[in-house]
Amino acid sequence: AIQLTQSPSSLSASVGDRVTITCRASQGISSALAWYQQKPGKPPKLLIYDASNLDSGVPSRFSGSGSETEFTLTISSLHPEDFATYYCQQFNTYPLFTFGPGTKVDIK
Amino acid sequence: QVQLRESGPGLVKSSQNLSLTCAVSGVSVSSVAHFWSWIRQPPGKGLEWIGYIYYSGGTFYNPSLKSRVTISADTSKNQISLKLSSVTAADTAVYYCVSPYCTGNSCYPYWGQGTLVTISS
Repeated sequence: AIQLTQSPSSLSASVGDRVTITCRASQGISSALAWYQQKPGKPPKLLIYDASNLDSGVPSRFSGSGSETEFTLTISSLHPEDFATYYCQQFNTYPLFTFGPGTKVDIK
Repeated sequence: QVQLRESGPGLVKSSQNLSLTCAVSGVSVSSVAHFWSWIRQPPGKGLEWIGYIYYSGGTFYNPSLKSRVTISADTSKNQISLKLSSVTAADTAVYYCVSPYCTGNSCYPYWGQGTLVTISS
């Protein structure tokens, strides 16, 4: 089964900072990767699908890139509402659509 | 627009069976390319894929839960069900109904709001 790792596992940042989170797959998954944002007590919110497509209504400060085994989620300028946990998920290898372990972004 | 809504008891006793339902609107559960899935998240932990049922009725379950899980579809009610047997405290989690819609190399995941299930002793 494909394993996803995320780095860092947590980070502290300030409002206005540029933040980059990396998701690595144990084998190539083409562009079949999604990114989610989750806040406490809420379901994951889809940010990016197919590695780089911004979901409807998601601010343009979020962007995704990468293919095969290395992917990045970038927040160009951190807003106060962006402090949350971020997960990646792969859809390449049916039938087990595995998740990364998450990256927690908190306030410095 | 695809909408998913989970329902079921919020409290289940240890060793009993957990049963949840996902009401689907905006698309038929017989729709090709949808993977009707259940995912769970224990309090303070990450996301775990439980399994799915495909439009043809085929199922796949996470090997770690396979012996205890059944996912089924009721086309007359347009809903998906999850049954998890012999639950323990480790099964306490928010359970999400999720449906990735996958065509070619593209997958778009639809999510429900989730329902918290607590296992009591």
